Amino acid sequence: NAGVTQTPKFQVLKTGQSMTLQCAQDMNHEYMSWYRQDPGMGLRLIHYSVGAGITDQGEVPNGYNVSRSTTEDFPLRLLSAAPSQTSVYFCASSYGGTGSSYEQYFGPGTRLTVT
Amino acid sequence: GDSVTQMEGPVTLSEEAFLTINCTYTATGYPSLFWYVQYPGEGLQLLLKATKADDKGSNKGFEATYRKETTSFHLEKGSVQVSDSAVYFCALRGGSGGSNYKLTFGKGTLLTVNP
Repeated sequence: NAGVTQTPKFQVLKTGQSMTLQCAQDMNHEYMSWYRQDPGMGLRLIHYSVGAGITDQGEVPNGYNVSRSTTEDFPLRLLSAAPSQTSVYFCASSYGGTGSSYEQYFGPGTRLTVT
Repeated sequence: GDSVTQMEGPVTLSEEAFLTINCTYTATGYPSLFWYVQYPGEGLQLLLKATKADDKGSNKGFEATYRKETTSFHLEKGSVQVSDSAVYFCALRGGSGGSNYKLTFGKGTLLTVNP
């Protein structure tokens, strides 16, 4: 199992550009989520999904879009990048079967800089 | 809503010193509690967990006990190593309402262990 994979690892954008951060998992997890990590702020939830076709907003959703057409993939779209979106982005997945503690598995992260 | 408060760092220790990182929480119902660790340049990985009051989670020499009476889940290790240098996050999964999957994180504590 590759676990949770994210691409790209690094990205530099200019203000106003759009891009998609990719996230995929091969563990058949129903739950997937996107976080951003900023110094002194911990991890903040952007969007999450509890299954294909179902998404919902987290704590800081503005400026981001998501969709979940398959169980495996959960891309995060930046519609018009702003310097405030400079951050490290993590994707995570989880399952909730009987006896599960709903542990989340994290990808390696994408470091995004918006100039 | 749910919240997690953990001691602010950075924490700097010498090798073989005793480590405590404090974590307290606010939640309704019966949350599950987690400690995640993030090594430099990597994503988060689960270090240990506890799903009910008085449970002790342990892994790699680290321990934490779920104390409902003090709403705490302090992380301890008897003798730290240089390889333990990382950021440690306390987190909870809420026990009532909302999505079963969502985690609430503390802001993280940077630990540096010197030889």
